Amino acid sequence: DTEVTQTPKHLVMGMTNKKSLKCEQHMGHRAMYWYKQKAKKPPELMFVYSYEKLSINESVPSRFSPECPNSSLLNLHLHALQPEDSALYLCASSQRTVPSYEQYFGPGTRLTVT
Amino acid sequence: GESVGLHLPTLSVQEGDNSIINCAYSNSASDYFIWYKQESGKGPQFIIDIRSNMDKRQGQRVTVLLNKTVKHLSLQIAATQPGDSAVYFCAEKLAGGTSYGKLTFGQGTILTVHP
Repeated sequence: DTEVTQTPKHLVMGMTNKKSLKCEQHMGHRAMYWYKQKAKKPPELMFVYSYEKLSINESVPSRFSPECPNSSLLNLHLHALQPEDSALYLCASSQRTVPSYEQYFGPGTRLTVT
Repeated sequence: GESVGLHLPTLSVQEGDNSIINCAYSNSASDYFIWYKQESGKGPQFIIDIRSNMDKRQGQRVTVLLNKTVKHLSLQIAATQPGDSAVYFCAEKLAGGTSYGKLTFGQGTILTVHP
């Protein structure tokens, strides 16, 4: 299984809502990532988890809260988002050991904040 | 032809032609580079990678060239097919353990293959 799955595929939420994005992989990867991608732009790294611990936070606003319950799952909790947070949110995973740094991406969750 | 400007660079080719997609990377301390293909509505898909101690690497129908002197990376696709139409991103990783997993993506190039 070389797949990263993400749910939901699409999400519409109001600025006062609380929602969560979910990501799952069963490749035994010990590094997992959240990216944000705006239309016609490259993916921008938000968070990196390594061995279930947060290792990189790219100065992401606190209204985004990541969680890694176990080595296969990654969540992104959303609260009090702004319309400018509307984007495609991509999850990825990779082996934690070199030599490969290849990241496997999921299909993304298309988020619209109204 | 290829155009670069305020919009995403685009490359239009005929089916069967060879395509060359270019990328200028930013950091001379980067030690690993990777090319991704992203089709509409999908996540990025790995194409090929290369380490900084190499200057060329070949895969199936694809070749990546690395010129560290001018911080330039290129992706060559042989016999381009309509299914190759997508946005192509290069990404770089800084050397060093503290930057593990941190890929910085380039702006991307839209490749359109005409039958």
